[in-house]
Amino acid sequence: DADVTQTPRNRITKTGKRIMLECSQTKGHDRMYWYRQDPGLGLRLIYYSFDVKDINKGEISDGYSVSRQAQAKFSLSLESAIPNQTALYFCATSDMTDGQYFGPGTRLLVL
Amino acid sequence: KNQVEQSPQSLIILEGKNCTLQCNYTVSPFSNLRWYKQDTGRGPVSLTIMTFSENTKSNGRYTATLDADTKQSSLHITASQLSDSASYICVVSNRGSYIPTFGRGTSLIVHP
Repeated sequence: DADVTQTPRNRITKTGKRIMLECSQTKGHDRMYWYRQDPGLGLRLIYYSFDVKDINKGEISDGYSVSRQAQAKFSLSLESAIPNQTALYFCATSDMTDGQYFGPGTRLLVL
Repeated sequence: KNQVEQSPQSLIILEGKNCTLQCNYTVSPFSNLRWYKQDTGRGPVSLTIMTFSENTKSNGRYTATLDADTKQSSLHITASQLSDSASYICVVSNRGSYIPTFGRGTSLIVHP
């Protein structure tokens, strides 16, 4: 099984809808991250969490919220989706000495 | 501000040829530098990690170098294969923070 899984893998939604992207990991890492990737812009950090009770904003957190339900689960919500949130979203995990392990990504299209 | 700049933005080479990708950074204080490979539509996968005291590290046909004085790194790919077609991302971490800084990546296309 994959170390970091994301659901759904693809999602089409309409402007104004609330959606949730989910991430689960089996690596036992404390740190989890949500990134979005747009063509030509690279990966940009949305939110990150260093343990279950810790939530921190990244550089582009506006319009997003997160929930760390357990060490292994970190979900990203778009409260009211808008078209410029169309992107590829990645979840990642890490520990103190290892690098980041990325999930397979969720491709989101907001119409 | 911590920044990571990569060049070239894109590169096209013939199968079997070598190539070198560049990464310049201003992240401080430096902790480590990683190169990731990202296949289209997939998550990045780590190729190499280098700390301050290391100046070269290999992973098969991939060789990364680090010059901590000039804050530059390179990724050399030897005898390229079609499967090397991907985006290569340079990521630098600073001590005291566990939020790495990402470059925008170099898109490599290997033609037969």
